[in-house]
Formats: sequence, C-alpha cells, structure tokens
Amino acid sequence: AQTVTQSQPEMSVQEAETVTLSCTYDTSESDYYLFWYKQPPSRQMILVIRQEAYKQQNATENRFSVNFQKAAKSFSLKISDSQLGDAAMYFCAYRALYSGAGSYQLTFGKGTKLSVIP
Amino acid sequence: EAGVVQSPRYKIIEKKQPVAFWCNPISGHNTLYWYLQNLGQGPELLIRYENEEAVDDSQLPKDRFSAERLKGVDSTLKIQPAELGDSAVYLCASSLGSGGARDEQFFGPGTRLTVL
Repeated sequence: AQTVTQSQPEMSVQEAETVTLSCTYDTSESDYYLFWYKQPPSRQMILVIRQEAYKQQNATENRFSVNFQKAAKSFSLKISDSQLGDAAMYFCAYRALYSGAGSYQLTFGKGTKLSVIP
Repeated sequence: EAGVVQSPRYKIIEKKQPVAFWCNPISGHNTLYWYLQNLGQGPELLIRYENEEAVDDSQLPKDRFSAERLKGVDSTLKIQPAELGDSAVYLCASSLGSGGARDEQFFGPGTRLTVL
C-alpha cells in the first residue's frame, strides 16, 4: 500500500520569505501522480500543484514550485514570496497512474500547518 | 461555474441518532468521491462513484454507513446509528473521470459532524 509522510506538523515563515514543506512517499509503482493541496480554515481543499512522476522537470505554478526526487521518493513544496493568504494546512497526496481498483484514490499525508508572520 | 456543493456545513447530533450528508458535484463530473477527514489528519477515501455505480467502497464501514448516487448526479452519505468516533469532517469531491493527471478532483467545503 502507498503511504505519504509529512514530517513537519507545523511550519512558519515571515511574509515575503521562502519556505519549503517536506513530503516523502512509499510506492512500488514506477508511474504515478503527486499533488500538493491547500486547505484553509474554510476547509475547502484547493489543488496547488501537480507532478507526473514520468516527467523529470519539476512543476512550477507562479510562486509555488516542487523539488521532485524520484529515487529518494521525495516531493517537497517551495513557496516563494510568502503571503498572508498562504497560511493554511498543506497536504501532500499520491495517486496511481493506471486504472484499476483504487487507482483514482488520493492518498494524503497528515498535513503541515503553515503560518505566515506579518 | 458552481463548485461542489455540500450541506449541511455543520451538524451536531446525539450518539445513536441517524445523520445524512448531501453532495451536489460539478455539472458534467462523472466521478464522485466521499472522504473522511479526522482532526489533524489528511482525508481518507470512503467511497468512489462512477456515474451511479459505486466502484470502490472497500473503506466504507458498511455496518453503519451507506451511500447512494441516484441518477448519477447528487449523492447522499448516511450514518445510522452515529457513534462518538464518527465526529469528523466529511468531504465530497468530483472529477470528470478520465483518470489522468489532469483529472483534477474538486472538493466541496465539507460537513463537520459532531456526535455528543
């Protein structure tokens, strides 16, 4: 079974600074998808960024970028120029590539609570 | 375009009472998911529907939980009877259903259940 581990329960960052959230995962598959989701206090999960494991290039979305290390099974999220609105829970998630029972299931980590200090 | 709609947002009940949650997915989304999110945890899948068919309900506690998706659109998740340990947030999500990386799951705001 796949597992996702986020070892940082809480992180804080000064406004306008950069912060990196860590995520490791375990899978026997060679192809899969990885995601970072943001969950503000409103509880609505919002997709921040996605990475296809077969792509070597790290994904980037504006101020958000990932460092994907497939061999190490590591998938960290870097937030640059942090803003007050970035404060939220951040969840790392894994999904298998191929169809079949459970393939569309997102496996989430326990999350990292990010605080942004003005 | 409206997102995933869930109701109620909050529900407080006594243990052993029944409770139901409703979800309306994004129009045109064939796949619907119910997730359970305990405090301090990430969401865990309870059941996945492809249209009106439950194609993955392996993690749904069938002794007290049931779900339906009539006509392949709206869905209802029911707990009967509720237990103290059922206190959690119940999230609904939907996606087009193509299965690729671009098949993004869109989440609703969830229902926070408190069982007293």
